Amino acid sequence: ETGVTQTPRHLVMGMTNKKSLKCEQHLGHNAMYWYKQSAKKPLELMFVYNFKEQTENNSVPSRFSPECPNSSHLFLHLHTLQPEDSALYLCASSPQISGNTIYFGEGSWLTVV
Amino acid sequence: AQKVTQAQTEISVVEKEDVTLDCVYETRDTTYYLFWYKQPPSGELVFLIRRNSFDEQNEISGRYSWNFQKSTSSFNFTITASQVVDSAVYFCAPLDAGGTSYGKLTFGQGTILTVHP
Repeated sequence: ETGVTQTPRHLVMGMTNKKSLKCEQHLGHNAMYWYKQSAKKPLELMFVYNFKEQTENNSVPSRFSPECPNSSHLFLHLHTLQPEDSALYLCASSPQISGNTIYFGEGSWLTVV
Repeated sequence: AQKVTQAQTEISVVEKEDVTLDCVYETRDTTYYLFWYKQPPSGELVFLIRRNSFDEQNEISGRYSWNFQKSTSSFNFTITASQVVDSAVYFCAPLDAGGTSYGKLTFGQGTILTVHP
């Protein structure tokens, strides 16, 4: 139990579907992150939020839409995805974005069919 | 920009053997942090250690130890008396304290460790 909870753990969606991944952290942290891990690439940062404000968008396609309603919750809204978007999506949090330890959730395994 | 190289793609050992996972990093910043994470098959990234670039002391935590050599930009990880439960993918990741990489962990391909009974 790391204090970062992700739901669902597994998701299968069609290319025309709209779904969302949810992340919740119980650590009182102010920064939250989405990372993507696919079979063919190293773990890569997608988005960073600091005190609910997006501070980083790592050139992520608009079919991925993040939302951070408060410092404890982070969503990743998915629509019209492609099969190559199938991957493990990891949420993480840290006290601040300046060098603190980043704690990860268990990830959401996404399969796009 | 940061870069990390974990030259060992896969390592296979027999239980109770010692094993060292190599990590070489590149960073332009003078202040940075180094992390090791373990990823078991379940997918979660488990935090193992965080090291500040100003602190070159080696660290030991149970069967785990880390050797930080700033002069060679290496941060190697040794597991003593390995166990089957140590089987996982291990990632070394630098994090810059400033510049354009502020707050970003940079991951390499990782090292797949398999410990056989």
